[in-house]
Amino acid sequence: GDSVTQMEGPVTLSEEAFLTINCTYTATGYPSLFWYVQYPGEGLQLLLKATKADDKGSNKGFEATYRKETTSFHLEKGSVQVSDSAVYFCALSDASGGSYIPTFGRGTSLIVHP
Amino acid sequence: KAGVTQTPRYLIKTRGQQVTLSCSPISGHRSVSWYQQTPGQGLQFLFEYFSETQRNKGNFPGRFSGRQFSNSRSEMNVSTLELGDSALYLCASSRGSDSGNTIYFGEGSWLTVV
Repeated sequence: GDSVTQMEGPVTLSEEAFLTINCTYTATGYPSLFWYVQYPGEGLQLLLKATKADDKGSNKGFEATYRKETTSFHLEKGSVQVSDSAVYFCALSDASGGSYIPTFGRGTSLIVHP
Repeated sequence: KAGVTQTPRYLIKTRGQQVTLSCSPISGHRSVSWYQQTPGQGLQFLFEYFSETQRNKGNFPGRFSGRQFSNSRSEMNVSTLELGDSALYLCASSRGSDSGNTIYFGEGSWLTVV
């Protein structure tokens, strides 16, 4: 079945550091890929998405490129801020099995210090 | 347009009681799905409703049930509450008709069972 693997957290960085959160996936079809962010005490918000190979999703300075050859969708940001502290979830949606329910990774906590 | 709305936001129940949580999806969305989020288990899929029919179901006991109304609003019910049911319950809505469509989450209902 489909699965998403994210790097273990927490990831702890200083403000203005470069961020990478790794995400790899296994899917039977041609999935769409997503990053969601969850700030403390809130629900998940869509951060960015990519629907086909080589697409780059971007939002709020975050980027991720759909790499079919390495089945990866790593999240990057050039300069993190304290306000980026949150939990980040990688997810895929693959309708080839007849289900439109996304598969989520376990989430990676990011802590940014001033 | 209005986002996904969940009520109540916070509630405290006693073991053995039952609880009903409500979710109003984004206008035009026909799919509503429910997730349980706990620190230990992460984000777990409960069930999905599409046009008033349960289309997908996760691996939860029969104490967890749901329904969807003709206006796409959904409720989930947990009967005979246990301490382990304490969690953040998230509702999400989407068009539900293709793998590239995005699911949008509400802010969640925090349930504490004492």
